[in-house]
Parts: sequence; structure tokens; C-alpha cells
Amino acid sequence: DAKTTQPNSMESNEEEPVHLPCNHSTISGTDYIHWYRQLPSQGPEYVIHGLTSNVNNRMASLAIAEDRKSSTLILHRATLRDAAVYYCIPALRTSYGKLTFGQGTILTVHP
Amino acid sequence: SQTIHQWPATLVQPVGSPLSLECTVEGTSNPNLYWYRQAAGRGLQLLFYSVGIGQISSEVPQNLSASRPQDRQFILSSKKLLLSDSGFYLCAWSGTYYNEQFFGPGTRLTVL
Repeated sequence: DAKTTQPNSMESNEEEPVHLPCNHSTISGTDYIHWYRQLPSQGPEYVIHGLTSNVNNRMASLAIAEDRKSSTLILHRATLRDAAVYYCIPALRTSYGKLTFGQGTILTVHP
Repeated sequence: SQTIHQWPATLVQPVGSPLSLECTVEGTSNPNLYWYRQAAGRGLQLLFYSVGIGQISSEVPQNLSASRPQDRQFILSSKKLLLSDSGFYLCAWSGTYYNEQFFGPGTRLTVL
């Protein structure tokens, strides 16, 4: 499994954009980059995934470096409900996708 | 729409007692099913996954076992609980061809 490095914690103010970085320098060419988040006392929630191109969905945007050794999850306007632990997970897209969760980044959103 | 259920939500058990946690998925067929554990202050650890009825793969050696008696039912068991089995147990499912995983509400287990 590719190793990831994420900041232990980050803070943001409500309504401001948040950029959550992730380094995955040992990622293989076939690994997708997945992002999940976990709200307190809940199970993780899928956020977004990508391979090489930047991706957008209703929750967030994912910017992937050209060399794929890093990526950034972008929350365009943070809300209090976005306060969670965010996990960056490189993983193969196989028929039995296994995810290896690291420690993630604790995001605090201030009103 | 698909939903995933886990029960019980919380459980307090003495050391040495048996354990049975159940997970069921509705609204889909032939899902991949997963059991994770999150110990206090730690990340999620994949315990078992299953790609079909009766097919169980174990990720780490431990005091637990899993079974899949029906297509959309996944059970986590132990014959004798240890203190180290305490944690937040999460069941998840994904589509037949790899898609995002959807997690259940979890069971918080405390072994005393």
C-alpha cells in the first residue's frame, strides 16, 4: 500500500475555502486517490476519488499533481458540518476494493 | 435506495463472553462486505471482507471471525472477548465492481 502523509490538523473559518493536502509519493500508476471523511461518532463517508485529472462533485474538488505524488481536497465553502477527520487513501480499483485508513487530518471549522 | 443496518448500536460485555454483531444491507444484490474496527484514538483497521456468500477473507490475525450466511448479511463473532477487542466496529458495503464504500452507523463495543 502507498504511504500517505497528511497534516494532523487544520482549521478554517465558516464560508471560507479549505485546502487539505496529501502526499502519496509511493503511489503506483494504477492506484486511484480516494478521499473519505468521518464525522464524530459516525462511519466514514465517501467524498471523492480521481486518477490523474482533477475531479469535481457536489461535495468537493480534487486536485491531483501532474506527477501524482500529491493531491489536494478542496472544500469551496466550509460549513460547520464539514468538521471531520479527512482521509486520503490511494487504492486499486478492483472488484473487492480494500481501503487502508491512516490517521487523517482533523478539520476544525470555526463559526 | 440502498441502506445498511448494524446492531446493536452499543454493547458492554465482560471479558471471556461471546460476541455476535450483525450487519445487513438492503436495496442491492451481491455486495462486497467489509468489517472494520476503530480502537480509541486510532485509525480504521480492515478486519474482514467478503465478495460472496460463504467467502471470507481475513486481513489480520485476531480473536474474531466473520461469516456471511446470506447475500446481504455479514456477521462478526467471537467465542471469548478480550479487553483489546473494545472499539468501534463498522460494517461497509460496495458494489460488485469496485465503487465507493458505504458505511453503517457502527457498534461501539466496550469489553470490561
